[in-house]
Amino acid sequence: SQTIHQWPATLVQPVGSPLSLECTVEGTSNPNLYWYRQAAGRGLQLLFYSVGIGQISSEVPQNLSASRPQDRQFILSSKKLLLSDSGFYLCAWSVHRGRETQYFGPGTRLLVL
Amino acid sequence: DQQVKQNSPSLSVQEGRISILNCDYTNSMFDYFLWYKKYPAEGPTFLISISSIKDKNEDGRFTVFLNKSAKHLSLHIVPSQPGDSAVYFCAAVYSNTGKLIFGQGTTLQVKP
Repeated sequence: SQTIHQWPATLVQPVGSPLSLECTVEGTSNPNLYWYRQAAGRGLQLLFYSVGIGQISSEVPQNLSASRPQDRQFILSSKKLLLSDSGFYLCAWSVHRGRETQYFGPGTRLLVL
Repeated sequence: DQQVKQNSPSLSVQEGRISILNCDYTNSMFDYFLWYKKYPAEGPTFLISISSIKDKNEDGRFTVFLNKSAKHLSLHIVPSQPGDSAVYFCAAVYSNTGKLIFGQGTTLQVKP
């Protein structure tokens, strides 16, 4: 069966510090991978998605970047965090691009102070 | 521009009764719809989905209805249980992109 991991679960970082959140998927090959953010009291916003190694599509301009160094690894990064980067970050995977259900990881709560 | 809207931020129902969660969308290109359930500080869990070629899909206590002409879908939970208390998100996708567009979520509280 497939599982998706995210770490850390919680992170408190000062403004201006770098960020690296990691997501890994087990039990599947060549998944589509996604990063979402849920800001307080709001829905889920798609940040990045990837259909393969080194292939990243950005959905919204922002202070964040994503990378996919391996087939089942997806990393969300920032060089300098802003207060507005605080939120709940979720990684998800799906089998194929298109009408396929996405399955979410447990999430990382980021608080930027 | 909010393409998927859940206009009720919260809903409270009594245990054993029916819960009806609603979702409206604006883009007629959407061809697949999903409902997710989310507990605080956890990732969303997939509940049920429906293709645009259908108007109903049922899975146990959960039924999703799709009204394409009205661009409206709903999730029925019967009977509601206290463990159903969570935030419910509807999401829509069109095949060309594979991107899910989420509604804002509705917080369901099922009272014992």
